[in-house]
Amino acid sequence: QKEVEQNSGPLSVPEGAIASLNCTYSDRGSQSFFWYRQYSGKSPELIMFIYSNGDKEDGRFTAQLNKASQYVSLLIRDSQPSDSATYLCAVNMGTGGFKTIFGAGTRLFVKA
Amino acid sequence: EAQVTQNPRYLITVTGKKLTVTCSQNMNHEYMSWYRQDPGLGLRQIYYSMNVEVTDKGDVPEGYKVSRKEKRNFPLILESPSPNQTSLYFCASSWWGQPQHFGDGTRLSIL
Repeated sequence: QKEVEQNSGPLSVPEGAIASLNCTYSDRGSQSFFWYRQYSGKSPELIMFIYSNGDKEDGRFTAQLNKASQYVSLLIRDSQPSDSATYLCAVNMGTGGFKTIFGAGTRLFVKA
Repeated sequence: EAQVTQNPRYLITVTGKKLTVTCSQNMNHEYMSWYRQDPGLGLRQIYYSMNVEVTDKGDVPEGYKVSRKEKRNFPLILESPSPNQTSLYFCASSWWGQPQHFGDGTRLSIL
């Protein structure tokens, strides 16, 4: 089992729809969870971060964390073609939480 | 402007020729890290540093060295590069536990 798993996709949604991206992780002691967006050939950029169970909303984005089930998700409301990118889930693991493990990423296509 | 600067951005070199990729940040971050990104594998952590003179291995440290003599700099050293180290490399920095700021990447080709 990989330490951080994501569906590779591609996930295709029509413009204006909700895109739902999921991520599971193996280390129950993990404390910090991040979603990054990466356009082709570019560096990852932060979308959301979450530390506590529940939902965290920022504009069109909502991150959801469930530590008991060891999953974290990202919802994108009113999806736009500019949201088309690869979304990377990252988890800080290990003693002290210094080690960062990324999922392989989910490719999202938003169709106009 | 807050940034993480990597150099070079592109490098083509040959097997066995030592090379260094530099990374510098101007945000006074304690934590710095190197990743490589390969198709289908996502970002994999090579080494990270919690502070000056404190470094530790990530998931794929073989064939790489790092040093952290100053807080702002975290160079990645390939002492004897091999073709399987051809990849896209990213340096990142952050406060501990906080989101990471990434450099623009270094595309490395080893022939």
